[in-house]
Amino acid sequence: QQQVKQSPQSLIVQKGGISIINCAYENTAFDYFPWYQQFPGKGPALLIAIRPDVSEKKEGRFTISFNKSAKQFSLHIMDSQPGDSATYFCAAFSSGNTPLVFGKGTRLSVIA
Amino acid sequence: DADVTQTPRNRITKTGKRIMLECSQTKGHDRMYWYRQDPGLGLRLIYYSFDVKDINKGEISDGYSVSRQAQAKFSLSLESAIPNQTALYFCATSEPGHRQETQYFGPGTRLLVL
Repeated sequence: QQQVKQSPQSLIVQKGGISIINCAYENTAFDYFPWYQQFPGKGPALLIAIRPDVSEKKEGRFTISFNKSAKQFSLHIMDSQPGDSATYFCAAFSSGNTPLVFGKGTRLSVIA
Repeated sequence: DADVTQTPRNRITKTGKRIMLECSQTKGHDRMYWYRQDPGLGLRLIYYSFDVKDINKGEISDGYSVSRQAQAKFSLSLESAIPNQTALYFCATSEPGHRQETQYFGPGTRLLVL
């Protein structure tokens, strides 16, 4: 059973465009939602995260939008750059003794 | 120096061989994880350990075993490697905070089973 569903699997965006990656979850016990960024040949690394008590969090060109009632959250990358080309994973966490649950990832390619 | 190291970085082995992938961390974290990454399948959890005496199966533990030798070391073994275990393997560590957790990943081990 896939606890966090991520889409699309791959995404191609023009330089300067907006990249949008979506995730949905079922478990209402999740209370922390991070996004990880992975460059080729590297391990994933935390990019940005949000808690369900806010609807949006912005860090530079990266924004998480969170819809608690729909149990959905999304990553928006504004003014996408070729250097943003990477695989992005959404994840969900519930406080307690369970690991992070990852989505299947989105491979983003930003082309000039 | 890297906080989470994995050895070897690349490994080619033959079907039926036993191999061990090693992970060491200097972050002082209690929690450690092993994942495998395959194209289109994302990160799949193999085993995790919340402290030295704790070992838990993840989503895909069949064909794998682990050993937590110390807080800083967590090894993954393939008892009898098979070709569909060809993948990129990641070790990660974490120290959960109040209502949050950040995992820190190693650089990965690329394994090819012939």
